[in-house]
Amino acid sequence: QLQLQESGPGLVKPSETLSLTCTVSGGPISSSPYYWGWVRQPPGKGLEWIGSILYSGATSYTPSLKSRVTISVDTSKNQFSLKLSSVTAADTAVYYCARLGTGAWQYYFDYWGQGTLVTVSS
Amino acid sequence: DIQMTQSPSSLSASVGDRVTITCRASQGIGDGLGWYQQKSGKAPKRLIHAAFVLQSGVPSRFIGSGSGTEFTLTISSLQPEDFATYYCLQYNSYPPMFGQGTKVEIK
Repeated sequence: QLQLQESGPGLVKPSETLSLTCTVSGGPISSSPYYWGWVRQPPGKGLEWIGSILYSGATSYTPSLKSRVTISVDTSKNQFSLKLSSVTAADTAVYYCARLGTGAWQYYFDYWGQGTLVTVSS
Repeated sequence: DIQMTQSPSSLSASVGDRVTITCRASQGIGDGLGWYQQKSGKAPKRLIHAAFVLQSGVPSRFIGSGSGTEFTLTISSLQPEDFATYYCLQYNSYPPMFGQGTKVEIK
């Protein structure tokens, strides 16, 4: 059974960079045709796709965050990571990592991590 | 970008009621629509993909329909465990977009 687990600091200061890692177990990222991505959910609000990556390193980001987001993959550790720079209080959210589909399904989320709350505050 | 308009934003219903949630896309997305259920403090759980295909293990009281720009999720007979927030997702094209969510509460 595929499992995903987010890890990283729960508190980030304004203007700094938010960094999270997702560890995948139950299947390899390397050579997998699936996309791997991040979704966030501000407290009491809806879901927002942040971006996705393929094992090859090919990435896709949501337009509104594109200038501040970097997603990378480490196949040796079966992990992928999110970096979001110049954070503000508006970036406070639960961050989920997820597996997405392949081909025409590359924007469909099937497996999700449990989520991790990141608060931006001084 | 394709915008997804989900309605209502919340509803109150009783156990046994039939409940319908609607999602409208700002342009046609074929059948590239999924539905998710999210309970408080938990990750979303997939219910339906391709507009009407039930995910394995999901009860048959969950029914998806529609194509193009208008989609519905119907819960034919609401059960206590169904009280949650439901989201649609268009995954037909970049960028994927979720609806605003519908919170189903106990009447």
